Amino acid sequence: EIVLTQSPPTLSLSPGERATLSCRASQSVSNYLAWYQHKPGQAPRLLIYDASYRATGIPARFSGSGSGTDFTLTISSLEPEDFAVYYCQQRSNWPPLTFGGGTKVEIK
Amino acid sequence: QVQLVESGGGVVQPGRSLRLSCAASGFTFSTYGIHWVRQAPGKGLEWVAFISHDGSNKHYADSVKGRFTISRDNSKNTLDLQMNSLRAEDTAVYYCAKDHPGISGWFDYWGQGTLVTVSS
Repeated sequence: EIVLTQSPPTLSLSPGERATLSCRASQSVSNYLAWYQHKPGQAPRLLIYDASYRATGIPARFSGSGSGTDFTLTISSLEPEDFAVYYCQQRSNWPPLTFGGGTKVEIK
Repeated sequence: QVQLVESGGGVVQPGRSLRLSCAASGFTFSTYGIHWVRQAPGKGLEWVAFISHDGSNKHYADSVKGRFTISRDNSKNTLDLQMNSLRAEDTAVYYCAKDHPGISGWFDYWGQGTLVTVSS
């Protein structure tokens, strides 16, 4: 099973600041990595798939990069609605599909 | 628009069974694989099960293998999860999620979830 480790667990930032979230895989997942945003009481939302492709309707301030074992989600300028928990997920050689433990982006 | 609506959650005693359902609309249900994903209280997301578009291919997480069964009815646009021998650690919000077009393993639409509580 591929283990995904996200860092930091919590990121305290102000609106307008840049957010950089990390996801590290226990073995190479090529570019088979996605990012999701999850707010309490809501359905998770797909942001990025195949490491760098924005999903339909996702604003350009969200970008993904990386390959192999190290990946980054960048939010270029935080909007008030971006404060949430973010999860990475891999689909390399599944089952199982696995998620990282999440990074909470909170208002400073 | 794409909608996935889960139902069937509730409080159940350890060792008992529960059946969850997911009603789909807004897309051609019979052409997409569908997953169940859960989130235990205070924890992260955990993939549970997958069924291919025609029901011929199914996969399960080790934590539920042999206890949970995923099925679908393409004539009714519904997905089910039969959960037997429930344990306290199965307590979670259960989401159904649809495969991304052309790429199995990414979840492009999710339902709002249904809460399952396993407790005596």
